[in-house]
Amino acid sequence: AQTVTQSQPEMSVQEAETVTLSCTYDTSESDYYLFWYKQPPSRQMILVIRQEAYKQQNATENRFSVNFQKAAKSFSLKISDSQLGDAAMYFCAYGGETSGSRLTFGEGTQLTVNP
Amino acid sequence: NAGVMQNPRHLVRRRGQEARLRCSPMKGHSHVYWYRQLPEEGLKFMVYLQKENIIDESGMPKERFSAEFPKEGPSILRIQQVVRGDSAAYFCASSPGSLPGYGYTFGSGTRLTVV
Repeated sequence: AQTVTQSQPEMSVQEAETVTLSCTYDTSESDYYLFWYKQPPSRQMILVIRQEAYKQQNATENRFSVNFQKAAKSFSLKISDSQLGDAAMYFCAYGGETSGSRLTFGEGTQLTVNP
Repeated sequence: NAGVMQNPRHLVRRRGQEARLRCSPMKGHSHVYWYRQLPEEGLKFMVYLQKENIIDESGMPKERFSAEFPKEGPSILRIQQVVRGDSAAYFCASSPGSLPGYGYTFGSGTRLTVV
């Protein structure tokens, strides 16, 4: 079974600074997708960024980028120029081609942005 | 496009009562997923449905929980004889296809409190 581990329950960053959230996963599949979701206090789950395992190029969405290390099974999220609105719980998730349509989520990292 | 609509937003039930949670997927999405989020935890997969069919219910508790997605109307997650341990946020997500690469669009969740 696939597992997703987020080893940082809490992180904090100063406004305008850069922060990196860690995520590792375990799988025997060769084709899969990785996601970062943001959950603000409103509880809405918002897709931040998506990475396809067969693509070597790291995904980027504006201030959000990932460092995808397939051999190490690592998928970290970098937030540049942090803003107060980035404060939220961040979840890493895995979706495999052969594991059905379900996503496996990590336990989350609570990000605080200090003004 | 109204997105994924879940109602009610909050639901309070006494022990032993029934809880019915509703989810209307995004327009054009025929795949619906239910996830449960216990306090301070990540989301856990419960069930995956297409119209009139349960595709994967491997995450559903064997007793008291059921789900449906009828030909007409929203998907329903039903919890009979609720207990305190059922208190959680229940999220519905929808996608246009069954592969994880499509990603999900999540609703805002229903917070169930059992008193």
